[in-house]
Amino acid sequence: QVLLVESGGGVVQPGGSLRLSCTASGFIFTSYGMHWVRQAPGKGLEWVAFIQYDGTNKYYGDSVKGRFTISRDDSKNTLFLQMNSLTTEDTAFYYCVRDGGNFDYWGQGILVTVSS
Amino acid sequence: DIVMTQFPDSLAVSLGERATINCKSSQSVLYNSNNKNYLAWYQQKPGQPPKLLIYWASTRESGVPDRFNGSGSGTDFTLTISSLQAEDVAVYYCQQYYNARRTFGQGTKLEIK
Repeated sequence: QVLLVESGGGVVQPGGSLRLSCTASGFIFTSYGMHWVRQAPGKGLEWVAFIQYDGTNKYYGDSVKGRFTISRDDSKNTLFLQMNSLTTEDTAFYYCVRDGGNFDYWGQGILVTVSS
Repeated sequence: DIVMTQFPDSLAVSLGERATINCKSSQSVLYNSNNKNYLAWYQQKPGQPPKLLIYWASTRESGVPDRFNGSGSGTDFTLTISSLQAEDVAVYYCQQYYNARRTFGQGTKLEIK
């Protein structure tokens, strides 16, 4: 079955960096675009970034553009999110999501806390 | 970006009664070439990731009970739960996938009256 497992979360100071990973299994990774979606505690869903199935195009939400970079390593079936210049506003659960057009499979999420 | 607006923000319905959640997009999400609305609905329960309920505005995902129905076209959409069950307590989100920059509604919290 489809599995998406995020890792790399934790506590980081404002201005710091963190790299999230998402390991995918149960489907042909190279056939799908992938997204990151985040959710601040007690808040709604915010789309963060998208990378096409072949990595040729990447898109970012306005709140993370210029600070976050989405990438993929197809040899390892892994999606990444490099997060730089973090602020307290970036504190959230981060979900890795498969792009089936709609979001048909989600990871369990990983918590990123930005705090001094 | 396409702005998605849901209403109401919260809703309390008695068990067995109908629940209706509305979603409006700032521009049409109907793709004329295939006549499909690029609109999905998700259900999120506490401590869980969202779960896909409805796609193409009205197609139920496999395994979703038939009390969940989606309708609408263009810019106006509705999620209806025909007979509310206790396990339907959750937050519901609409989402457009018309373009690569996906956007969600702010969510509607559904509770039991």
